[in-house]
Amino acid sequence: AQSVTQPDIHITVSEGASLELRCNYSYGATPYLFWYVQSPGQGLQLLLKYFSGDTLVQGIKGFEAEFKRSQSSFNLRKPSVHWSDAAEYFCAVGGYNNAGNMLTFGGGTRLMVKP
Amino acid sequence: DSGVTQTPKHLITATGQRVTLRCSPRSGDLSVYWYQQSLDQGLQFLIQYYNGEERAKGNILERFSAQQFPDLHSELNLSSLELGDSALYFCASSVLQRGGTDTQYFGPGTRLTVL
Repeated sequence: AQSVTQPDIHITVSEGASLELRCNYSYGATPYLFWYVQSPGQGLQLLLKYFSGDTLVQGIKGFEAEFKRSQSSFNLRKPSVHWSDAAEYFCAVGGYNNAGNMLTFGGGTRLMVKP
Repeated sequence: DSGVTQTPKHLITATGQRVTLRCSPRSGDLSVYWYQQSLDQGLQFLIQYYNGEERAKGNILERFSAQQFPDLHSELNLSSLELGDSALYFCASSVLQRGGTDTQYFGPGTRLTVL
């Protein structure tokens, strides 16, 4: 069964500081990996995705993530955090099989940004 | 704006009642997914439909059912509601490309409160 772990429930960073959110996955085949962001009272917005190829993927809002197969990780990074980045971030793994294409989400990391 | 619409935005009802949540997928998307987000269970996949047919089932209770209509909109029916059914219900849609390189786009969600 596929699973995703986000070890950090809460993270607080100062505005302008760098950010790394951790994500570890378990999946039997080639994983398809996603990061979504949920602002308060909002739906889930796709930040970036990894299907294959270059292991460093760029997303929207200046985010990037690196796929490391040997570590089963897909950590999200941003070099300089803005106050508007305060939100909850979800890592997800998906993969196609005969049963469908469900996403399995991690528990989320809530990011707070200090001025 | 993802292009996925959900109605209503908020729903308040009593235990034992039945409600229907509605979702319209992005134009061109054939697959619709339902997810439940609750404080204790996190984000969990409920069910997937593809072009009118059920494709995959997750942790969906027997009191819950869904369908996808010929115009591709979907409805999630929740019956005999319990306090624990209070949650945010998301709909997502995708093209469902072969090989799994499929991206799900999420609607804004319906917040259900059972009193």
